[in-house]
Amino acid sequence: GQSLEQPSEVTAVEGAIVQINCTYQTSGFYGLSWYQQHDGGAPTFLSYNALDGLEETGRFSSFLSRSDSYGYLLLQELQMKDSASYFCAVRDKNYGQNFVFGPGTRLSVLP
Amino acid sequence: DVKVTQSSRYLVKRTGEKVFLECVQDMDHENMFWYRQDPGLGLRLIYFSYDVKMKEKGDIPEGYSVSREKKERFSLILESASTNQTSMYLCASSQPAGRNMNTEAFFGQGTRLTVV
Repeated sequence: GQSLEQPSEVTAVEGAIVQINCTYQTSGFYGLSWYQQHDGGAPTFLSYNALDGLEETGRFSSFLSRSDSYGYLLLQELQMKDSASYFCAVRDKNYGQNFVFGPGTRLSVLP
Repeated sequence: DVKVTQSSRYLVKRTGEKVFLECVQDMDHENMFWYRQDPGLGLRLIYFSYDVKMKEKGDIPEGYSVSREKKERFSLILESASTNQTSMYLCASSQPAGRNMNTEAFFGQGTRLTVV
């Protein structure tokens, strides 16, 4: 099976940099993804790491280390609109290719 | 613009009612999923389907069933609604996974179900 852990809450100020960590235990997965969900909205895809290393998409970067069973999402130049919940997720290789999500991290960006 | 559409944003049903939640995707995706989302518990998988007429139980299938008669439509059925099924229900779809191919999940807007 798969299980993922994330901090429940993170707070930062506008313009700052914040890192949201994700650790996982898995029996096999395709890659690590990150999703953003604003209150009342649907989760939307942010980034994907199939291989170890850093992927950058604008202000957001994501990192994966399979040897450490660890990944993170890095948000730079924080804006108020970044206040949302962030979920890491793996796609299971062994059970129907399901997406297994972490519990989510609530990011609050303060002025 | 790709889209996953859930039939209702808000529903209020009575205990014991049979409830149907509908989900339609227009991306010709093979895989479809139903999750429920509760505070502090994240997204938990109820059922999934990797092809028409195929269905598999997820982590919390008790009290639910599903139907996938057409590729684009995946229905979640609450056989006899109970108050502990009050939740946000999210439908998602995706293409099958590949080794280095990013296959993201596309979500509907969710159905907030209240069982009274």
